Amino acid sequence: AQSVTQPDIHITVSEGASLELRCNYSYGATPYLFWYVQSPGQGLQLLLKYFSGDTLVQGIKGFEAEFKRSQSSFNLRKPSVHWSDAAEYFCAGDSGNTPLVFGKGTRLSVIA
Amino acid sequence: EPEVTQTPSHQVTQMGQEVILRCVPISNHLYFYWYRQILGQKVEFLVSFYNNEISEKSEIFDDQFSVERPDGSNFTLKIRSTKLEDSAMYFCASTASFRNEQFFGPGTRLTVL
Repeated sequence: AQSVTQPDIHITVSEGASLELRCNYSYGATPYLFWYVQSPGQGLQLLLKYFSGDTLVQGIKGFEAEFKRSQSSFNLRKPSVHWSDAAEYFCAGDSGNTPLVFGKGTRLSVIA
Repeated sequence: EPEVTQTPSHQVTQMGQEVILRCVPISNHLYFYWYRQILGQKVEFLVSFYNNEISEKSEIFDDQFSVERPDGSNFTLKIRSTKLEDSAMYFCASTASFRNEQFFGPGTRLTVL
């Protein structure tokens, strides 16, 4: 069955430090992949998406993600985290014939 | 910038009562979705809707649930007889075309007592 896995439930980073949030997918073929962010009490905002082509995709708020077929991964990165980045981050996949499948999310805390 | 809106933001209801959650998708979008997020858990797909009919639904979406697009702008989710385990955040989403990015609303927090 298709699945998206986010191995880290909670990550804490210092403000200004770099960030990498992990996402692995299990699909028969390469799915469309997305990263969403959810601030407390808010809805889901799309950070970036991968459909095909360049495996390094740029998103909003300075985020980027790299699709690695060999590792079945689509990790989210940011070179310098800001306190306002503290939120829940969800990776999601779409195979085209199944609904959007979300990972369990990674909660990011940012400390001074 | 167009956005998906949802009302109410928070609904409290008694077990066994009917609730209707409302969504206004982005106006030129054609595909509509409902998702559920139980507190502390992942976002789960409930149902997709296209061309005035359900195109797909999950196991969660049983006979207690129904969706409707009554007037060409609103998209509603009805839970006929709420259970305690229906307490969750419900998100509406819409997209202009199949497999394109989905735009999510801010959610309705449903609390069943």
